[in-house]
Amino acid sequence: RKEVEQDPGPFNVPEGATVAFNCTYSNSASQSFFWYRQDCRKEPKLLMSVYSSGNEDGRFTAQLNRASQYISLLIRDSKLSDSATYLCVVNPYMEYGNKLVFGAGTILRVKS
Amino acid sequence: DTAVSQTPKYLVTQMGNDKSIKCEQNLGHDTMYWYKQDSKKFLKIMFSYNNKELIINETVPNRFSPKSPDKAHLNLHINSLELGDSAVYFCASSQDRGPEGPQHFGDGTRLSIL
Repeated sequence: RKEVEQDPGPFNVPEGATVAFNCTYSNSASQSFFWYRQDCRKEPKLLMSVYSSGNEDGRFTAQLNRASQYISLLIRDSKLSDSATYLCVVNPYMEYGNKLVFGAGTILRVKS
Repeated sequence: DTAVSQTPKYLVTQMGNDKSIKCEQNLGHDTMYWYKQDSKKFLKIMFSYNNKELIINETVPNRFSPKSPDKAHLNLHINSLELGDSAVYFCASSQDRGPEGPQHFGDGTRLSIL
């Protein structure tokens, strides 16, 4: 079983749609969780951290369910510029270091 | 003012050669990383250094040797390049070695082995 699993998509949605991505992780001792965004042929960039209480940043809402080892990202009112690959990222913190484990990513294509 | 910069951006070379990729960060971070993103787009950590000390060394062939002359630099030297080494290599940095902080990535070095 992969450490972090995501539906690869692609998700093809019209502008203005609401879209949700899910992710599961296998290491129950994981300490921190993130969503990164990667545009084609670019570097990954932090979109948002994910907290147990859930958090929102504008049109983006992230949720964490530790009991089910499940993370979600909701994007409301999709824009063309949201088209990218969304990477679910888990940090199974170990005593000796900070190691990010990336999912394979979910491709989002927003169309006009 | 690039925060994490890598050179070169593109590297095309023949099998068997030795090459180096350089990385520098001007964020004042203590920890730096090398990641490899293969053709299937999986991004996997290779190495991590904290204040010039190696703290993470994943299962990577010993042809790959990282070197950190100071905490702002982490270079990657690759000996006897093989076809399977073709990938995009990303350098990253973070404030400390703890789990909370995000990592900032360079824009990648695209390595192609002929």
